[in-house]
Amino acid sequence: DAGVTQSPTHLIKTRGQQVTLRCSPISGHKSVSWYQQVLGQGPQFIFQYYEKEERGRGNFPDRFSARQFPNYSSELNVNALLLGDSALYLCASSLDAGATDTQYFGPGTRLTVL
Amino acid sequence: RKEVEQDPGPFNVPEGATVAFNCTYSNSASQSFFWYRQDCRKEPKLLMSVYSSGNEDGRFTAQLNRASQYISLLIRDSKLSDSATYLCVVNRRNAGNMLTFGGGTRLMVKP
Repeated sequence: DAGVTQSPTHLIKTRGQQVTLRCSPISGHKSVSWYQQVLGQGPQFIFQYYEKEERGRGNFPDRFSARQFPNYSSELNVNALLLGDSALYLCASSLDAGATDTQYFGPGTRLTVL
Repeated sequence: RKEVEQDPGPFNVPEGATVAFNCTYSNSASQSFFWYRQDCRKEPKLLMSVYSSGNEDGRFTAQLNRASQYISLLIRDSKLSDSATYLCVVNRRNAGNMLTFGGGTRLMVKP
């Protein structure tokens, strides 16, 4: 079975631009979470979606938004990009949204903001 | 103070050595505990969950001390392939599946 897939793999943008990152969960998984990992740090939670509804939001500004589609795939949007948004953006899927559901991570999208 | 704290390392050990990593968490509502492994420029992968009774998976042993809010990972007979960053992860009660990661501990196993 295919794992979590993300696109694009790499992305270069300039300050002020907008970006959309995409994620397809493992087949049968209904929950998708997004994390930001800045170089040298652990991943930081951004959003969780379950059954197309937002279930949680981390400490990120309103420039960050996301949605989940009926097929459980998800998009993360970031507006008005800042240099500090340069990071690896990880998507994780799990069967459900419970605390004990194992999260499986995709390979990530590496975003560079110039 | 960070919610999950780890010694960033790096830990440089020879093949065959035993190495231990520690992690502390500050939120007493933490319910689930994990160790993830992350190779350079790759995604994190679940190494093992951590239970109060302690658990072992081959050369890896994880321990949880809820009273001290402390988690450990022991790796015996280190292999070159164990070189990676090890991430301590917690999930708070009533926080759904929102994982909180430590900064990671880097391990380098040398021949």
